[in-house]
Amino acid sequence: DQQVKQNSPSLSVQEGRISILNCDYTNSMFDYFLWYKKYPAEGPTFLISISSIKDKNEDGRFTVFLNKSAKHLSLHIVPSQPGDSAVYFCAARPNQGGKLIFGQGTELSVKP
Amino acid sequence: KAGVTQTPRYLIKTRGQQVTLSCSPISGHRSVSWYQQTPGQGLQFLFEYFSETQRNKGNFPGRFSGRQFSNSRSEMNVSTLELGDSALYLCASSTGGLAASGELFFGEGSRLTVL
Repeated sequence: DQQVKQNSPSLSVQEGRISILNCDYTNSMFDYFLWYKKYPAEGPTFLISISSIKDKNEDGRFTVFLNKSAKHLSLHIVPSQPGDSAVYFCAARPNQGGKLIFGQGTELSVKP
Repeated sequence: KAGVTQTPRYLIKTRGQQVTLSCSPISGHRSVSWYQQTPGQGLQFLFEYFSETQRNKGNFPGRFSGRQFSNSRSEMNVSTLELGDSALYLCASSTGGLAASGELFFGEGSRLTVL
C-alpha cells in the first residue's frame, strides 16, 4: 500500500525554466510533508518542508504547495539550474516521531 | 559538527549469510531510523529507535532487526540473506522530539550486494 506516490519517474527541464515535481498521498492524518534531494552515491538531503496547516512554504528558489482537499503537494523550482539535477523524494510524517513515508522519487534533469 | 556515519560503505555477501550494518548519528541526536532503497521502490522504512527503544517498525520480515546503544549508535542486522536484499541501506538521525517537523539527516548509506 503506497501511501505516498510520485507518479513521474523522471522530468527533464531547460535551464532557467520552472521545474514542477508532484506528489500524491492517501492518508489525511499526515501532519508534515518534506522534500529531499539525492545525488548519486550520497544520502538524501533535506530541502524544504510544509506543515499540514499551511498551503505554501517558500525558501529561495524552492516553493512547496499543499492542496489538502486533493491530497496533493508539489515542489516548484524557479529558475531551474543544472546543479538541481538529482532525484527528488517527497515524504510525509504519519505521526510525531522519526518515521517518514517516502515516495518512489522523481529524477530531475536540468539541461543547460 | 560531524554528520551521520555509516559503515561499511560497500559489502558483498552470498545468499544465506548474515550482515550487520552500523550507524553513528549526529552528536546529540537520539533518534535513528533505517531505510532500504531499491530502484523503483523509493525509500522503504525499516525501523526507528529512540533512546534504545524501537519506536516505529516497518513491514519487513523478522530477518531484519536492529538495536540502539546508550550512546545512540545503532546497528541493523539482516539474517539469511536473499538476493532481493541487495539494496542501499540508509540510516538517518534526528533529535526525535515529538514537536519536531520530522526532518531527518541521512548518512551516505551502505551498499549491500547479495550474490
